[in-house]
Amino acid sequence: DIQMTQSPFSLSASVGDRVTITCRASQRISTYLNWYQQKPGKAPKVLIYAASSLQRGVPSRFSGSGSGTDFTLTISSLQPEDIATYYCQQSYTMPRTFGQGTKLEIK
Amino acid sequence: EVQLVESGGGLVQPGGSLRLSCAASGFTFSSYWMYWVRQAPGKGLVWVSRIKSDASSTSYADSVEGRFIISRDNAENSLFLQMDSLRAEDTAVYYCAREERVAAAGGGSYYYMDVWGKGTTVTVSS
Repeated sequence: DIQMTQSPFSLSASVGDRVTITCRASQRISTYLNWYQQKPGKAPKVLIYAASSLQRGVPSRFSGSGSGTDFTLTISSLQPEDIATYYCQQSYTMPRTFGQGTKLEIK
Repeated sequence: EVQLVESGGGLVQPGGSLRLSCAASGFTFSSYWMYWVRQAPGKGLVWVSRIKSDASSTSYADSVEGRFIISRDNAENSLFLQMDSLRAEDTAVYYCAREERVAAAGGGSYYYMDVWGKGTTVTVSS
């Protein structure tokens, strides 16, 4: 199975900050990488697919980049409603493995 | 409105069985591959199972292989997860999710879970 490793495990930032979360795959996955946001008590929601494609309806302050084994999710200007846990997930092969999550908090 | 609604969760003793359902509406259910994903209390997301749009192919995580069976009824727009020989470590919120496919430049497709239900809670405890 492909292992997905996110860093950091948790992150505290101020409103307006630029925030970056990284995800590393244990083998090359091209751009078969998705990012999800999960707010407390809610179902996950896809933000980014194919490493850098923004899902319809997702604010443009979210962006994704990377290819191969290293990927990043960036929030250009953190908003209070962005408080959530973020997960990366590879769709290169089965099983569809997720990262362990990055919990984002407001400082 | 595109929607997935899970049901069937509850409290069950170790070794027991439970059947989860997921009712789909607002889209052509028979055109989509479907997933079950679970989340243990305070933990991350874990893929459990996947079924092809016409039910001709299924896949399972190693942790549930041989104990869980995924199925679907396209006429009733419903997805199911039959869970047998349940263990304490199966305790989780179970989500059903739809897999969207987008053509990739140069061939192939990108896959992602674009619609999720709100989840149903399964607790395995004596």
